[in-house]
Amino acid sequence: GESVGLHLPTLSVQEGDNSIINCAYSNSASDYFIWYKQESGKGPQFIIDIRSNMDKRQGQRVTVLLNKTVKHLSLQIAATQPGDSAVYFCAETKNSGYALNFGKGTSLLVTP
Amino acid sequence: EAEVAQSPRYKITEKSQAVAFWCDPISGHATLYWYRQILGQGPELLVQFQDESVVDDSQLPKDRFSAERLKGVDSTLKIQPAELGDSAMYLCASSPKREIKNIQYFGAGTRLSVL
Repeated sequence: GESVGLHLPTLSVQEGDNSIINCAYSNSASDYFIWYKQESGKGPQFIIDIRSNMDKRQGQRVTVLLNKTVKHLSLQIAATQPGDSAVYFCAETKNSGYALNFGKGTSLLVTP
Repeated sequence: EAEVAQSPRYKITEKSQAVAFWCDPISGHATLYWYRQILGQGPELLVQFQDESVVDDSQLPKDRFSAERLKGVDSTLKIQPAELGDSAMYLCASSPKREIKNIQYFGAGTRLSVL
């Protein structure tokens, strides 16, 4: 069935470097995407979202890029900090709308 | 900052027992979601409420799971009887209104272990 998935299960980066986390989706009808950060023992925390009529959106130290042609989105984190270590999930709207369909997550580890 | 409240944080039970989880969404949020998250995976929707009405429970195992939101505010998710495979994190989320582009805010979750 339709699904959202991530290319890499783990990513290790050095403090201060930029991080890029990728996500592929298969439902061409998806029109809204969200990135969440989940720290150990906590619920997912909203990072940034993007609508399908956009291809780029920037926040504080984060940028989301959407490529609808290849059904791919990415999360870029600038100047990665130890506090960025967490699991990152992309999510998209389900076909029926409103509830979110999550991928499996990428674990980001920031080393000193 | 307003948060989604969940309790208990942890629950250990034996299989065939009944368990219940409670969620209090952010004040004013009309839409409430219950998700289940298995370790190492993303959350999966169990049930969605708009005010006190269920709008999506297609993934809820109705033979053992039930959910209610009687006054359209807080909500309870129940499992009876619990099975070993129910061990997971149960997350509650809320959003201001039922629109595609509304952000869902999550609580800290209830970690259930079924022995």
